[in-house]
This record gives sequence, C-alpha cells and structure tokens, in this order.
Amino acid sequence: NAGVMQNPRHLVRRRGQEARLRCSPMKGHSHVYWYRQLPEEGLKFMVYLQKENIIDESGMPKERFSAEFPKEGPSILRIQQVVRGDSAAYFCASSSVARRANEKLFFGSGTQLSVL
Amino acid sequence: DQQVKQNSPSLSVQEGRISILNCDYTNSMFDYFLWYKKYPAEGPTFLISISSIKDKNEDGRFTVFLNKSAKHLSLHIVPSQPGDSAVYFCAAQIYNQGGKLIFGQGTELSVKP
Repeated sequence: NAGVMQNPRHLVRRRGQEARLRCSPMKGHSHVYWYRQLPEEGLKFMVYLQKENIIDESGMPKERFSAEFPKEGPSILRIQQVVRGDSAAYFCASSSVARRANEKLFFGSGTQLSVL
Repeated sequence: DQQVKQNSPSLSVQEGRISILNCDYTNSMFDYFLWYKKYPAEGPTFLISISSIKDKNEDGRFTVFLNKSAKHLSLHIVPSQPGDSAVYFCAAQIYNQGGKLIFGQGTELSVKP
C-alpha cells in the first residue's frame, strides 16, 4: 500500500533551466495538492488538481509555474526558467474526497529543488 | 500576511514531561485546525485535529485545545518521548476549502532522554 510518491527526491538545476517534479497520489486518490516550503517557513499552498482539471491555483506564482494531473500518469509541477528564489522543498499531497471540512491530506516526502 | 503563527521556533523538554506547542491565528473564517508532525527529509504526517465547534480533542498522549475567543490553539504531548522529536506544524482551513491548508512556520520539538 504505497503512499504518495514523489520524484526526484533531489533536483539540481541551473538558473534558466526547467524543473519537472512528479507526484503519484495514493492508490484510489484522485485529488492532488502541491505545497512549497521555503527555508525557515511553513508550507504554502500552491495548487489543487483533480484528474484533468485545475480546481484552485490561487497559490501559484503568475509566471513560469504550471501544474497538470492527466488522466493517466502522475501529476507534474513544472517550473520554467528557474531562479535561485525557486529553491525550496516541494510537497505533494493527495486525498480521496473533495474539499471536505475535515479532509486529511497524505503528504509525499517532497522534492528538494536547488537552483545554482 | 501570516494568518497562522507559531511564535516559538523551538522547544526543548525532558523525557516524561509535558510538551506544549502553541499556535495563534487571525482569520475568523477558519473552522478546522490540524497538527502535522514532520521528520527531516520526510513529508508532514497528520497528528490530530479539532473542529471549531469543540474546545478539546484527545488522542492518546496528544491533546489539542482550542480557544476561539483568543484565536489560539495548543498541542499538549504527555508524557513526551524522544521519538516525539520533530517539527510540529499547526494548520487551519476554511470549511469549503478542505485540503487548502494554511500552515504556521513550525516549532521544532526536542525531547531529551
């Protein structure tokens, strides 16, 4: 019974390159959330997706960031033309229900992105 | 605009004693609160939660207290164990935005043997 799987665990990119972060939700979960944790800060919501739909992207930076959750395959968080300020831990979480008040999220181990 | 605040970055307690972690919030629309525990190089794991209609929820060694008038909640761990050493995050959500959590900055708890 695998949990939320994220890969890679560590990703190093040079400024201007693209970063692709992958997340496979828990089996049976069709709701995916992405969070970002900057150094010395708490996690901050970025985007909420269901299969083939972006439901809430209010936490996504307006430029360079995009997310998808296709019908088949993992959810992808894509960062174009990375800058040093993008260096952070990116966590994916999944759940089996939509927006219930006491919804319990299951988090992956995260991807640590380092931009040189 | 930090809507959920954990003002103590770290806390050190002796094994067997009580650990009290505090959290303050500003948004009156929050109606559900959660505590997550995080070990290094791992994702957060759910620990305990409380609805805004309650003032206390208990689960084994963990108890969360909510004071709505003060917009304050606390997590009590008793007795504390060395395995409890981790970063604890307080989080809040609005009823129709389940899954969109607002996290505090975290408190690093160290339980000394």
